[in-house]
Amino acid sequence: GEDVEQSLFLSVREGDSSVINCTYTDSSSTYLYWYKQEPGAGLQLLTYIFSNMDMKQDQRLTVLLNKKDKHLSLRIADTQTGDSAIYFCAESFNQAGTALIFGKGTTLSVSS
Amino acid sequence: DGGITQSPKYLFRKEGQNVTLSCEQNLNHDAMYWYRQDPGQGLRLIYYSQIVNDFQKGDIAEGYSVSREKKESFPLTVTSAQKNPTAFYLCASSPTGTGTYEQYFGPGTRLTVT
Repeated sequence: GEDVEQSLFLSVREGDSSVINCTYTDSSSTYLYWYKQEPGAGLQLLTYIFSNMDMKQDQRLTVLLNKKDKHLSLRIADTQTGDSAIYFCAESFNQAGTALIFGKGTTLSVSS
Repeated sequence: DGGITQSPKYLFRKEGQNVTLSCEQNLNHDAMYWYRQDPGQGLRLIYYSQIVNDFQKGDIAEGYSVSREKKESFPLTVTSAQKNPTAFYLCASSPTGTGTYEQYFGPGTRLTVT
């Protein structure tokens, strides 16, 4: 069945790198996404990666995909207090208009 | 500015009352979705619609109903049959022609039923 797993919490110091990990079970996933949710707000799409790519970089964000192990990670360089939020990993399948499968979210806490 | 709006941000109702949550988008997206978020549970799909006048049940549709009479609008009704309606409700939409399937979310409505 479809399932997306994430660790629940991550705590880092300001200026350090953060790495948030995600595993998924369905090898037919087409795209994998990272979303950010600040308290009381909706989800903001940060980045996504196509399943035939290994890496995608976008400013401070680096996404790594290991398709063999079904492992996805999000690295945030030079983490700031404003990065404190819940981060969700999600996967989609090769069909427009179908829902995404979300993990339960990783709460990132950044201390100064 | 293009985007998704949900209203109201906070909603309070008495048990036994039906309540309708609004979701409007001006992104010209075909597909729209409703999710429910509970603490520590992630997002769970309630209903989705790929096109006007058509919608499908998600994983937790019991006690909810939707309509899709216009492309821009996808209201969700929480009925008195929903056993635990207090939650944060998120609406999303996605384009169906780009091939990337990403979803864009509204700011959410927090519903409290007492």
